[in-house]
Amino acid sequence: EAQVTQNPRYLITVTGKKLTVTCSQNMNHEYMSWYRQDPGLGLRQIYYSMNVEVTDKGDVPEGYKVSRKEKRNFPLILESPSPNQTSLYFCASSRYDRGTGGGYTFGSGTRLTVV
Amino acid sequence: EDQVTQSPEALRLQEGESSSLNCSYTVSGLRGLFWYRQDPGKGPEFLFTLYSAGEEKEKERLKATLTKKESFLHITAPKPEDSATYLCAVPIYNQGGKLIFGQGTELSVKP
Repeated sequence: EAQVTQNPRYLITVTGKKLTVTCSQNMNHEYMSWYRQDPGLGLRQIYYSMNVEVTDKGDVPEGYKVSRKEKRNFPLILESPSPNQTSLYFCASSRYDRGTGGGYTFGSGTRLTVV
Repeated sequence: EDQVTQSPEALRLQEGESSSLNCSYTVSGLRGLFWYRQDPGKGPEFLFTLYSAGEEKEKERLKATLTKKESFLHITAPKPEDSATYLCAVPIYNQGGKLIFGQGTELSVKP
C-alpha cells in the first residue's frame, strides 16, 4: 500500500530534551515536506526537500532541523523543544512535477506535547 | 501576496441538504488547486486536483469546479459520513512546490 508513515503518533516530552519524528514513504517520491497544524493558524510548512541532500526552509523553520540522506526518509529533529512547539505535525510527499506538483500524500500525524 | 481563503468556516447541513464550499485564491501563475478532506486527528486525504478554469472533477457526492479566482466544492445530498474539514491548497512553484492551505471549512452533516 502506498503510504507515508510517521512515528510516533503521540509524544509527550519535556522542554529541552532532543527528539526526532521519523517519516518514511514507499512511493519513490522526490518531494517531501513537514507541516504543523495549529488551531486558527491552519497548516504551515516547516521544511521541505526536493530530493536527496536538497532541503530548504518553509514558513516556520525556527527550532527545527531536517535531513534527507535517503529518498524515502525525511526525519524532523527538534534539538531543544519548547512549549510553543506543541502541535500536530504532518509529513507529506509527492512526485515532483514542475508543471503540476501532483497530489500530496500525507502521513497520519504526530501529536507532540512539550511540557 | 499569495493567499487562499475558504468560506464558510463551518457549515451544518441536514442529511440530503446540498450546498457548496468556497475557496478563493490570489496567486501569481496558478498551476493547480487541490482539495483535501481531513478527519479529526488524521492527515489530509487527497480528493481532487484542478488545473484550469472551467475544469470539473467528481467523486461520489462531491464535485469540484474552478474559475480564474475561486473554486467550489459542491456536495450533493450529503450523508453523515461526509462530515469532515475540507481544505483547499495551491502550490507555489517558485518556492519549491510549497502548498498554501486555506483555513478549511468544517462540515457537519446531521441525520
